[in-house]
Amino acid sequence: QSALTQPASVSGSPGQSITISCIGTSNDVGGYNYVSWYKQHPHKAPKLMIYDVTKRPSGVSNRFSGSKSGNTASLTISDLQPEDEAEYHCSSYTSGTPLVIFGGGTKLTVL
Amino acid sequence: EVQLLESGGKVVQPGGSLRLSCSVSGFTFEDYAMHWVRQAPGKGLEWVSLISWNGDIKYYADSVKGRFTISRDDSKNSLYLQMNNLRGDDTALYYCAKDIGSSWNTLDDWGQGTHVTVSS
Repeated sequence: QSALTQPASVSGSPGQSITISCIGTSNDVGGYNYVSWYKQHPHKAPKLMIYDVTKRPSGVSNRFSGSKSGNTASLTISDLQPEDEAEYHCSSYTSGTPLVIFGGGTKLTVL
Repeated sequence: EVQLLESGGKVVQPGGSLRLSCSVSGFTFEDYAMHWVRQAPGKGLEWVSLISWNGDIKYYADSVKGRFTISRDDSKNSLYLQMNNLRGDDTALYYCAKDIGSSWNTLDDWGQGTHVTVSS
């Protein structure tokens, strides 16, 4: 099964909003409300930012929000901050194997 | 505070074997499913394996099925990944991660990873 499709890079200025897309199929993103988003700084472990499409773990800023339409999930970051600059990975539960499928990652640059 | 600490990564020759360990603290280990995820140099994340809270159910990515075995020892608060018949494309940073509960798809705490390099 192929990885979920994410743009390689996105950028925005402080204070702006950006959206990162994550395109899958009906066997993963479109078939289940089990999309997660992870933030990863270089040489650091990923951090869970969004799960079950729209839920935020305790401690994650409400500037981060998730949504889904059909086979495409999206992560929106509002009021961009310099510390938001990182790699963002989406994931989804899948039918069959693998159990979890990730996207290729999107590098967010805050200009 | 939840902590996960991987160990066991090293340079190994193609065809060789390696056992990764993940020691955890800060939560009731026996209550949670656990995952292994890897990241090849400069690449995205790749899910590798899951073990259920009681160890009865195990899942593997097709790329490692038949070569890798996940296990856990609740008495030692430890997760393991036995890796056999290693190949060059197994070279990666291997993370252990805690499942958020019983979702089997949401990883809410991660270790810092251990490096595995497969090379002659």
